[in-house]
Amino acid sequence: GAVVSQHPSRVICKSGTSVKIECRSLDFQATTMFWYRQFPKKSLMLMATSNEGSKATYEQGVEKDKFLINHASLTLSTLTVTSAHPEDSSFYICSAKNNEQFFGPGTRLTVL
Amino acid sequence: DAKTTQPPSMDCAEGRAANLPCNHSTISGNEYVYWYRQIHSQGPQYIIHGLKNNETNEMASLIITEDRKSSTLILPHATLRDTAVYYCIVRVEWDDKIIFGKGTRLHILP
Repeated sequence: GAVVSQHPSRVICKSGTSVKIECRSLDFQATTMFWYRQFPKKSLMLMATSNEGSKATYEQGVEKDKFLINHASLTLSTLTVTSAHPEDSSFYICSAKNNEQFFGPGTRLTVL
Repeated sequence: DAKTTQPPSMDCAEGRAANLPCNHSTISGNEYVYWYRQIHSQGPQYIIHGLKNNETNEMASLIITEDRKSSTLILPHATLRDTAVYYCIVRVEWDDKIIFGKGTRLHILP
């Protein structure tokens, strides 16, 4: 299957700082990318859907001003967690879609 | 909300077939049954999907009941590397959103 990468794989930051996570489709162009969040021992929760060149669509209860999503090209989407707090510590996973949907390896964010 | 019901956990002896059930009694005529799995601290991995006929690939087999209200994922010869959470999802084929339920945590016992 196609490959989706995420960078960084792991990040630790201080409370109040912003963190950017990149999601790249390496060998295909993704018309749509998705961002999920997963807390320990819980299932994946869809946060938002992003289409290249347009604003992201956020799921109910997800703060768009806190979780900034940019999908500037068909191979790159970024998620910025602004003013991160310890409760934002989680496993963030992206997926990218052309016809099929492929998942990235995830980014573990720890906010101290 | 997830449209499927799965047991929270299952055990299977290494080398034996692992049979993971899923109930989807409200499935619509144009919805497929998809299976993904997530190994600890990794992203989900696609396994298989089907509409109404049984399907088989190099990873697994999918058995869907005639009324399509339930299905079973079969891993024919489970290994320790198959330890993961398995998610059964119903959706229109390759539709945009994938909504994950709680899945089944499969433990492969040596």
